[in-house]
Amino acid sequence: DAGVIQSPRHEVTEMGQEVTLRCKPISGHDYLFWYRQTMMRGLELLIYFNNNVPIDDSGMPEDRFSAKMPNASFSTLKIQPSEPRDSAVYFCASSLIPGPQHFGDGTRLSIL
Amino acid sequence: GNSVTQMEGPVTLSEEAFLTINCTYTATGYPSLFWYVQYPGEGLQLLLKATKADDKGSNKGFEATYRKETTSFHLEKGSVQVSDSAVYFCAFRDNYGQNFVFGPGTRLSVLP
Repeated sequence: DAGVIQSPRHEVTEMGQEVTLRCKPISGHDYLFWYRQTMMRGLELLIYFNNNVPIDDSGMPEDRFSAKMPNASFSTLKIQPSEPRDSAVYFCASSLIPGPQHFGDGTRLSIL
Repeated sequence: GNSVTQMEGPVTLSEEAFLTINCTYTATGYPSLFWYVQYPGEGLQLLLKATKADDKGSNKGFEATYRKETTSFHLEKGSVQVSDSAVYFCAFRDNYGQNFVFGPGTRLSVLP
């Protein structure tokens, strides 16, 4: 079975550029989560969706961050404009309650 | 509020040593409990889970028992291997299914 698919795996871009991260959840899962992981802050929940609707975006750090889920098989996390402190590994996860979350392999983002 | 507390790492052991990583949680009701493992450069993978009191989750030689009286879910392995070197995350999901909380992670290094 295909797991959670994230793209790109690595992204290097200059400060001020727009960055778009993509996620395809496991088919049939009704929850989708976006996380950010850094050495300093650990794993942080940014936002999660239920049936394509954003439920809790209290973890989104600033207005520069936005996330969408236009359909059940696709979600994006966008940063505009990007800053060096946004450098991190971004994970997408999906789940079907009452099951556990399944994580993608992450996108390693470097903002120069 | 809801939270997960894990023993601070890093934990360094010799191969074949006994492993315990402590985890306690604060949650309302009867959450489901999980251990995830993250190998270098990868996403989090579900290691084991337990959904009700006194359940024991097990996988790959790892075990953890859901102790409601002590609100704990300690991870144990009788004989660790070098390949077990990773970061281990304790987590729970509340019984409403929407609140998924991760601990800060414990880094384990196993030396040959």
